[in-house]
Amino acid sequence: GQNIDQPTEMTATEGAIVQINCTYQTSGFNGLFWYQQHAGEAPTFLSYNVLDGLEEKGRFSSFLSRSKGYSYLLLKELQMKDSASYLCAVDTDKLIFGTGTRLQVFP
Amino acid sequence: DTGVSQNPRHKITKRGQNVTFRCDPISEHNRLYWYRQTLGQGPEFLTYFQNEAQLEKSRLLSDRFSAERPKGSFSTLEIQRTEQGDSAMYLCASSSTTGTGGIPTNEKLFFGSGTQLSVL
Repeated sequence: GQNIDQPTEMTATEGAIVQINCTYQTSGFNGLFWYQQHAGEAPTFLSYNVLDGLEEKGRFSSFLSRSKGYSYLLLKELQMKDSASYLCAVDTDKLIFGTGTRLQVFP
Repeated sequence: DTGVSQNPRHKITKRGQNVTFRCDPISEHNRLYWYRQTLGQGPEFLTYFQNEAQLEKSRLLSDRFSAERPKGSFSTLEIQRTEQGDSAMYLCASSSTTGTGGIPTNEKLFFGSGTQLSVL
């Protein structure tokens, strides 16, 4: 079966750092994506990991450990506009999404 | 090309009616996906195409749902005899695949804005 787990909700303060974890068990693995989705809008691409390690892109970084079936998204210097849902998705030829983590950033 | 386009943006229908949605992917993308999303959940895979071939259809998809991509460009998703449980956002996404050792892997998916279906 396909199983992707991430926390349902997280809260953080403006300027802080937050880490959103994702664990997965899937039949097949081509890579792992993170998407951001604001309420009422389509998901937008944030990052893609295919090899183990950390990928950094500005304030956002994503880490992958294939042997552990684990990834995290790290958001630094949080801003109010980062309040959104963050979706972990595994590429098994099609993308299988987790339920998403709703992040609320408070002033 | 400005991205993935979906029509209509909103659809309200009565239970038992048929509805059809259209998706125009990014023109050079060979893969096209349909997802369904309800409030507080991640997108749920429905089906996908590589060019005009439908490669997979979710087991969760009843026979009331059918999708086509006749010329490998735009796609339609039809729901027959709609039920209230079909109310959701229907998202279309497209991507291109690159081969590494003959194994295609997705480049990032680009999503359309979705069609919000409400079944009364």
